[in-house]
Amino acid sequence: DARVTQTPRHKVTEMGQEVTMRCQPILGHNTVFWYRQTMMQGLELLAYFRNRAPLDDSGMPKDRFSAEMPDATLATLKIQPSEPRDSAVYFCASGLGQHGNTIYFGEGSWLTVV
Amino acid sequence: AQKVTQAQTEISVVEKEDVTLDCVYETRDTTYYLFWYKQPPSGELVFLIRRNSFDEQNEISGRYSWNFQKSTSSFNFTITASQVVDSAVYFCALSEWAEYGNKLVFGAGTILRVKS
Repeated sequence: DARVTQTPRHKVTEMGQEVTMRCQPILGHNTVFWYRQTMMQGLELLAYFRNRAPLDDSGMPKDRFSAEMPDATLATLKIQPSEPRDSAVYFCASGLGQHGNTIYFGEGSWLTVV
Repeated sequence: AQKVTQAQTEISVVEKEDVTLDCVYETRDTTYYLFWYKQPPSGELVFLIRRNSFDEQNEISGRYSWNFQKSTSSFNFTITASQVVDSAVYFCALSEWAEYGNKLVFGAGTILRVKS
């Protein structure tokens, strides 16, 4: 059963620490998305990649967040330094990149910054 | 700009009742896609259905049905004979096309509580 895999599932860290979240997209999918979910803002798109190239990261705070795809099977989202306001659920999703293709989500990484 | 509105923040029903979740969208695209996702208490986002703008035929899958009406820009979701396991947050989403790919714009979600 193909699925998007995210690690870690849960992370508690202290303010100022670096956090790295990892995602393995579904094999064959060429588009990868990072979404953030908070009570106040709902689901926000942070960044997305097509064929490993970053296409849109306008939703991402540039000073502390970075997203990369070192290879087709791994996407990373890094926060450095982390702040309490970064506490949220971070979802990775993947799809085939054509208009209307279904985007499938991972189980999310639940981040708490204290 | 594309926008999805789920006006119902929270709905509570008793088991076996039917319930309809509303979704209204705005887009200037002539070709677009609409989706529903379910987020159960465990937190994952589960894909339920996709519908393109050229297909207004209603769809039924077991106890779930969807009513797509372009004239009112709505894509409503009905659960028949609700069950406790249907308790979740339900999100409606619109596929927005950019020259380099598509991305989903989500509504705020509707919390559904089904009581036994």
